[in-house]
Amino acid sequence: EAGVTQFPSHSVIEKGQTVTLRCDPISGHDNLYWYRRVMGKEIKFLLHFVKESKQDESGMPNNRFLAERTGGTYSTLKVQPAELEDSGVYFCASSQDKLARMNTEAFFGQGTRLTVV
Amino acid sequence: AQKVTQAQTEISVVEKEDVTLDCVYETRDTTYYLFWYKQPPSGELVFLIRRNSFDEQNEISGRYSWNFQKSTSSFNFTITASQVVDSAVYFCALSEIRDFNKFYFGSGTKLNVKP
Repeated sequence: EAGVTQFPSHSVIEKGQTVTLRCDPISGHDNLYWYRRVMGKEIKFLLHFVKESKQDESGMPNNRFLAERTGGTYSTLKVQPAELEDSGVYFCASSQDKLARMNTEAFFGQGTRLTVV
Repeated sequence: AQKVTQAQTEISVVEKEDVTLDCVYETRDTTYYLFWYKQPPSGELVFLIRRNSFDEQNEISGRYSWNFQKSTSSFNFTITASQVVDSAVYFCALSEIRDFNKFYFGSGTKLNVKP
């Protein structure tokens, strides 16, 4: 079974450009999460989808970030326009059920390293 | 304020040494989960353990062991007889009953195990 897959693995863009990150969750996983780690600091929550609906987007830093999950399958995270402080590693995770259920585990992808220059 | 603190930024040990990674958390909830994840050089976060707040029993899994102490709000991770393959960044995380779907991670501890 394929794990959580993220594209691209690395992206280098200039300040002011647009970048779109993609996450393919594990097949059948309704719950999808985005996190990011900036400058070696803690990994911070961005948002949570249940199927195509945003359950919680309290961690989105500002309106330059737009996440979508059309059809409830893969998700994209667009940054437009990118700023220097957006550099970091963006992680995606998925789970079959909500994480309140005892035996539910979140599976993480390998992350996309975004560098804004 | 950060909910999870991993004060050790980087640790270097020689193979076969024991090493303990510290994790201190902060929450007002009485029901919560604590986690450890491993990030090998390949990048993905690999789940190691989940512990709920009502279970303070220490856990051992092979060379790995975890010490959960509510009195000190700590959930430390010990690797016994470390191996080069243990080299990775290790993250401690917390989720609270108010929203179990949101993880609060620490900043990670990079472990270097030298042969």
